[in-house]
Amino acid sequence: AQSVTQPDIHITVSEGASLELRCNYSYGATPYLFWYVQSPGQGLQLLLKYFSGDTLVQGIKGFEAEFKRSQSSFNLRKPSVHWSDAAEYFCAVGSTGGGNKLTFGTGTQLKVEL
Amino acid sequence: NAGVTQTPKFRVLKTGQSMTLLCAQDMNHEYMYWYRQDPGMGLRLIHYSVGEGTTAKGEVPDGYNVSRLKKQNFLLGLESAAPSQTSVYFCASLGQGNTEAFFGQGTRLTVV
Repeated sequence: AQSVTQPDIHITVSEGASLELRCNYSYGATPYLFWYVQSPGQGLQLLLKYFSGDTLVQGIKGFEAEFKRSQSSFNLRKPSVHWSDAAEYFCAVGSTGGGNKLTFGTGTQLKVEL
Repeated sequence: NAGVTQTPKFRVLKTGQSMTLLCAQDMNHEYMYWYRQDPGMGLRLIHYSVGEGTTAKGEVPDGYNVSRLKKQNFLLGLESAAPSQTSVYFCASLGQGNTEAFFGQGTRLTVV
């Protein structure tokens, strides 16, 4: 069964500092991988996705993520965090059959200090 | 461009009451999903559908039923609500051959 682990429950960074959120996945084949962001009381917004090709993917709001098959990881990065980036971030893995279901990690809550 | 619309947005139920959450999508998507979100647990799949007239169980289906009588609608029912079903519920849809699912804005349900 597919699964996603986000080892960091909370992360605090200073505005302007770099950010890396960790994500490890378990999936039997080449995975579809996603990062979503959720602001308080809001729905989910897709930041970026990977399903093939270049292992470094660019997303919205200046985020990027790198797929590393050897480490089963898909870490999210941003070179300079803005206060408006404070939110909860979810990594997800999608199946390519059996209903194309998304399995989510437990999320990482990002706090940005001014 | 409504996308995925969930009704209602908020609801308070008493233990034992029943209710139905409606998810409607206008993108002609084949796949639809119901998730629940709880603090520290991410989103967990309750039920899903791969097409009109079909439904299947997800990770946490107990206490819920679903129906997909029309392609554009996916209903989630609680026959006898329990406090453990207090959660935020999200619906999503996905088109055949697509990789990006679209999510509704969520329904915040409190069972007292």
